[in-house]
Amino acid sequence: EAQVTQNPRYLITVTGKKLTVTCSQNMNHEYMSWYRQDPGLGLRQIYYSMNVEVTDKGDVPEGYKVSRKEKRNFPLILESPSPNQTSLYFCASSLSRGHQETQYFGPGTRLLVL
Amino acid sequence: AQSVTQLDSQVPVFEEAPVELRCNYSSSVSVYLFWYVQYPNQGLQLLLKYLSGSTLVESINGFEAEFNKSQTSFHLRKPSVHISDTAEYFCAVTGLTGGGNKLTFGTGTQLKVEL
Repeated sequence: EAQVTQNPRYLITVTGKKLTVTCSQNMNHEYMSWYRQDPGLGLRQIYYSMNVEVTDKGDVPEGYKVSRKEKRNFPLILESPSPNQTSLYFCASSLSRGHQETQYFGPGTRLLVL
Repeated sequence: AQSVTQLDSQVPVFEEAPVELRCNYSSSVSVYLFWYVQYPNQGLQLLLKYLSGSTLVESINGFEAEFNKSQTSFHLRKPSVHISDTAEYFCAVTGLTGGGNKLTFGTGTQLKVEL
């Protein structure tokens, strides 16, 4: 089944404790990105990647890191999480960087930073 | 830069009634337009999109949206809703500039279908 998977689905952590949220897609997609969803703000892009070893900042990159060492994986790293990073996170992928492409979303990771 | 406005945060409607979810956008460049749906505790999935050609686009489950360039709108409609349509609906655009396939989302409209 073609899909985007994320782990973990739910995570509670404390301020300053490094964490990684994994994202993997099995569709051989070139383009991957991370969004965060907050009430009243919709979804905002954190980082994106056009291909292996090519990443760039989205609209709200502060406090996050990413890497793209393999085509299928695009982990999101929070080196020192803070309470304002409490949010619902979605990974998405598309076949290419083309603006017409449909993006496929993972099921989401709900993060609470205490 | 682009922005998307969804004025209605919640829309309650009775089953079998028609519904319209409003979406307006602003952009200094040409855009592609999308509606995504998020069912409870799930990720977003594409409902329909407008790229070019006919300004009226349809989904497989009875939704339709019409691109109106003069009014910069892309409202979503369904003539008769079902209880299973209860979900949050997001309008989104991609601006035809560099930087890849970034979606700019509206704040979402929660559609609640009641019996």
